[in-house]
Amino acid sequence: KAGVTQTPRYLIKTRGQQVTLSCSPISGHRSVSWYQQTPGQGLQFLFEYFSETQRNKGNFPGRFSGRQFSNSRSEMNVSTLELGDSALYLCASNRRGEIGTGELFFGEGSRLTVL
Amino acid sequence: QQQVKQSPQSLIVQKGGISIINCAYENTAFDYFPWYQQFPGKGPALLIAIRPDVSEKKEGRFTISFNKSAKQFSLHIMDSQPGDSATYFCAASFVGNQFYFGTGTSLTVIP
Repeated sequence: KAGVTQTPRYLIKTRGQQVTLSCSPISGHRSVSWYQQTPGQGLQFLFEYFSETQRNKGNFPGRFSGRQFSNSRSEMNVSTLELGDSALYLCASNRRGEIGTGELFFGEGSRLTVL
Repeated sequence: QQQVKQSPQSLIVQKGGISIINCAYENTAFDYFPWYQQFPGKGPALLIAIRPDVSEKKEGRFTISFNKSAKQFSLHIMDSQPGDSATYFCAASFVGNQFYFGTGTSLTVIP
């Protein structure tokens, strides 16, 4: 069974630009969540989607947005990039329907560098 | 506000020694406490998890100790091996809410 796939793996952007990251969950997993990983801050929750609906959102500014498609694939977008947005963005899928339970299966992440 | 506080930030242990990572939480609604292991260039992967109805859970060389009254839980790695060198994250959650992760502990096991 294929794992969680994230694209692109690495990208470099400049301040003010916008970026879109993609995540394909494990087949059959309908819950997809996104995390920002930075040194010293650990994993910060961005948002979680289930059946194309955002069920929960973390404390990030409105520049961070996401969506989920009918095939459970998800995208997240960051507009007007700032230097502080440089991070590893991780996507995780979950077989369980209830948020906050079950095992999170993480992808290898998209490493974003903002110059 | 960090919902789950993790310490130490980094840890160096000799091969064969015991590695101990501690986490503390405030929200008594949390009822699921997983630990994730992350190797460089990879995403985190579930290592072991515990619910508050038990005080200890062991899987091979990995043990979670849980102290409900103190609102603390810890990961013990017995007979630590160089292959255990990774970053470890504790987390906490309850149904209907997000997972809250600690800030991570970078473990280095010296041969």
